[in-house]
Amino acid sequence: GQQVMQIPQYQHVQEGEDFTTYCNSSTTLSNIQWYKQRPGGHPVFLIQLVKSGEVKKQKRLTFQFGEAKKNSSLHITATQTTDVGTYFCASPSYNTDKLIFGTGTRLQVFP
Amino acid sequence: SAVISQKPSRDICQRGTSLTIQCQVDSQVTMMFWYRQQPGQSLTLIATANQGSEATYESGFVIDKFPISRPNLTFSTLTVSNMSPEDSSIYLCSAAEADTQYFGPGTRLTVL
Repeated sequence: GQQVMQIPQYQHVQEGEDFTTYCNSSTTLSNIQWYKQRPGGHPVFLIQLVKSGEVKKQKRLTFQFGEAKKNSSLHITATQTTDVGTYFCASPSYNTDKLIFGTGTRLQVFP
Repeated sequence: SAVISQKPSRDICQRGTSLTIQCQVDSQVTMMFWYRQQPGQSLTLIATANQGSEATYESGFVIDKFPISRPNLTFSTLTVSNMSPEDSSIYLCSAAEADTQYFGPGTRLTVL
């Protein structure tokens, strides 16, 4: 079945450093979504990318969808302690309304 | 975006008992989903709660263990039946608007 892998599984950075998480699928994705889950919280929708090669920015966050629509990345510039949490990518399962969630990348930021 | 509430927020239960989790959405939505999340893990879809028909369960989850109700477009319940310690987890409901999903705060279940 459709699987979405993320790397790295875990990363800790010093505040001010950059951070990138990568999302990879063996199949072409109709769209890719990113969610953030703070410790003890629930996943919160960040953004959706639909077009091949699409790039979107939200302040210090840059989201990219690969040309082949099989991978995506989330880059955070100059991390802050408020960026701490687990970042999940997700994509709709083929021909259904279900979302397939990636394995997640847990980000720890040290002040 | 939809605002979702869940209750209870947490519970500690004895093995062999059942717990019903309620999920309320502040607007009418077509699709609602129930997930399970173990600490430090990703989300595992239990089932899709269909309004007016039986829920659609994912592989490894069965109706007898996780009966779901969806009486209208704003409400759903998930029951965890005949609980064992392996059922200890966080249970999340979500509502879909277009392709994206909005999650409730979750129910943290501990089974002793």
